[in-house]
Amino acid sequence: QKEVEQNSGPLSVPEGAIASLNCTYSDRGSQSFFWYRQYSGKSPELIMFIYSNGDKEDGRFTAQLNKASQYVSLLIRDSQPSDSATYLCAVNLNYGGSQGNLIFGKGTKLSVKP
Amino acid sequence: DTGVSQNPRHKITKRGQNVTFRCDPISEHNRLYWYRQTLGQGPEFLTYFQNEAQLEKSRLLSDRFSAERPKGSFSTLEIQRTEQGDSAMYLCASSLVPGTGNGQPQHFGDGTRLSIL
Repeated sequence: QKEVEQNSGPLSVPEGAIASLNCTYSDRGSQSFFWYRQYSGKSPELIMFIYSNGDKEDGRFTAQLNKASQYVSLLIRDSQPSDSATYLCAVNLNYGGSQGNLIFGKGTKLSVKP
Repeated sequence: DTGVSQNPRHKITKRGQNVTFRCDPISEHNRLYWYRQTLGQGPEFLTYFQNEAQLEKSRLLSDRFSAERPKGSFSTLEIQRTEQGDSAMYLCASSLVPGTGNGQPQHFGDGTRLSIL
């Protein structure tokens, strides 16, 4: 059973702080890792993806991947109230491109307090 | 770059009726995916196409569900004899074809929210 685990939250941080969102996955064959943001009643919006161990930065967002520990995280610096949403972690096995679907966690609800 | 388009946005129907949803992917994307999302859960994979070929189906896709992508462009998802448990958000996503190494990011449409009375 391939699983992606996230703390459901809510995670509450003050405006301007760093929000840290974590995700673990069960299948060592996972190759690609994605973070989506989902506002209430809306569809998921891609914000970051990472393929290799280490950090990947894009603006206020940093994705971190540790394949040995089967752990991926998302850091949001200088958190804003507009960052308040549910953050979904998704993984993709992609053995030679043959498996396309993403396996999602249940999401972590982030609340940024002004 | 127009994004993924889904129609209708909302569908309310009585139990036992058939419903059909449409998805238009990003034009250069060969892959098209259908997911279902219920409250408090992440999206769950249903099926995906590469061009017109349906390459994988989840066991969530019962016999009452059928999906097509006849010309490799838009796709339809039909649910026959709807049941209360079919109430969910149905999401379509598209992507380029992954290489042998890494997956390609999937971009989602706004979804179709189905409510069964």
